[in-house]
Amino acid sequence: GAVVSQHPSRVICKSGTSVKIECRSLDFQATTMFWYRQFPKQSLMLMATSNEGSKATYEQGVEKDKFLINHASLTLSTLTVTSAHPEDSSFYICSARAPGRAYNSPLHFGNGTRLTVT
Amino acid sequence: EDQVTQSPEALRLQEGESSSLNCSYTVSGLRGLFWYRQDPGKGPEFLFTLYSAGEEKEKERLKATLTKKESFLHITAPKPEDSATYLCAVQAGGNTGKLIFGQGTTLQVKP
Repeated sequence: GAVVSQHPSRVICKSGTSVKIECRSLDFQATTMFWYRQFPKQSLMLMATSNEGSKATYEQGVEKDKFLINHASLTLSTLTVTSAHPEDSSFYICSARAPGRAYNSPLHFGNGTRLTVT
Repeated sequence: EDQVTQSPEALRLQEGESSSLNCSYTVSGLRGLFWYRQDPGKGPEFLFTLYSAGEEKEKERLKATLTKKESFLHITAPKPEDSATYLCAVQAGGNTGKLIFGQGTTLQVKP
């Protein structure tokens, strides 16, 4: 149980274009999802907390107008990188916590999306 | 400020050579400490959760322990398939539910 799926797994786009990444909870409903970013050989950095039916909560230093998050349903959150630039190239990973569990139960992660901006 | 530091950054072992990975943390009101395994190009895979000092969890060749300041991931008689990056994360007090990750330890086990 608690499977999180991300799509696409890899995407290459040109500088200035926008890219949308989808995160789905396959066998459970997630009112909250977390979006992380990981640079090569570095750890996961939390970007934002996605809340179903309300605005996302962004971490300090993350541009909310650049990284648009939409959590329109209990099984889908999307991250849109707008006007992408080469420095946005990174590994983006989403996660969610199975419902009915304590708020400090483990997060389950998707398999990530490798974004390359040329 | 909540912080997680893992050491060593990289570790090379021979198959069967046991060792330990360290995760030191400073956090306001620990709600949980989590160990994950991450293979290249993949998302983290959950291994263990520890909630209070003195707690221990085991799974196959892995054993995780927790004190008030650090956690250890002990690997007994590792095999090449244990090669991966091991990530430690903490959840601080409050109801945000978010995790703060350490930098990870990349383990390579040679046959």
